[in-house]
Amino acid sequence: NAGVTQTPKFRILKIGQSMTLQCAQDMNHNYMYWYRQDPGMGLKLIYYSVGAGITDKGEVPNGYNVSRSTTEDFPLRLELAAPSQTSVYFCASSYAGGGYGYTFGSGTRLTVV
Amino acid sequence: AQTVTQSQPEMSVQEAETVTLSCTYDTSESDYYLFWYKQPPSRQMILVIRQEAYKQQNATENRFSVNFQKAAKSFSLKISDSQLGDAAMYFCAYRTQNQAGTALIFGKGTTLSVSS
Repeated sequence: NAGVTQTPKFRILKIGQSMTLQCAQDMNHNYMYWYRQDPGMGLKLIYYSVGAGITDKGEVPNGYNVSRSTTEDFPLRLELAAPSQTSVYFCASSYAGGGYGYTFGSGTRLTVV
Repeated sequence: AQTVTQSQPEMSVQEAETVTLSCTYDTSESDYYLFWYKQPPSRQMILVIRQEAYKQQNATENRFSVNFQKAAKSFSLKISDSQLGDAAMYFCAYRTQNQAGTALIFGKGTTLSVSS
């Protein structure tokens, strides 16, 4: 089915480890986003991209990196994982600026121990 | 900066009844979009309804409707004939129309429980 695919769905990391959360969309959307969701806090924007080769920081970018080499893929890299990065991560994409809403992936639950 | 406030962390409703979830936002802009998203226990984010600020008519989608009060910066969601499947967390979200690349701003969410 068309949409946004995130992998993995669950992951446990040890403090100091690194990992990449994968995100791919097949809708030819130019805009892609990474959010994190913490209990009682809603969704906070980590990074976003308006097209291949263009990325920008959101509200909570510290401890994360992104790249956008293709229209389809927007991986999120966690370097030196910390317990504060325990969260649910959502990737989303939109046509143009998102005036018609986003299509979300199913999320990745990450636990750092 | 724009902010979105959902003042009800939790709400409950009986099946077949009507419930209204509140959302207020702060902005100095005149053109923008507002959304309600549903997040069931599966964690999937589902778009429920969308409103364009320049349209005075309230958006409706089947049992879901909004009460959009632009001057009061209020955007409440009404769920009619509530069903067990409506139990979820609901997020209100705002997006500016004016700046390319800016993202949705979310409220903290309201957890809706539905009892039979």
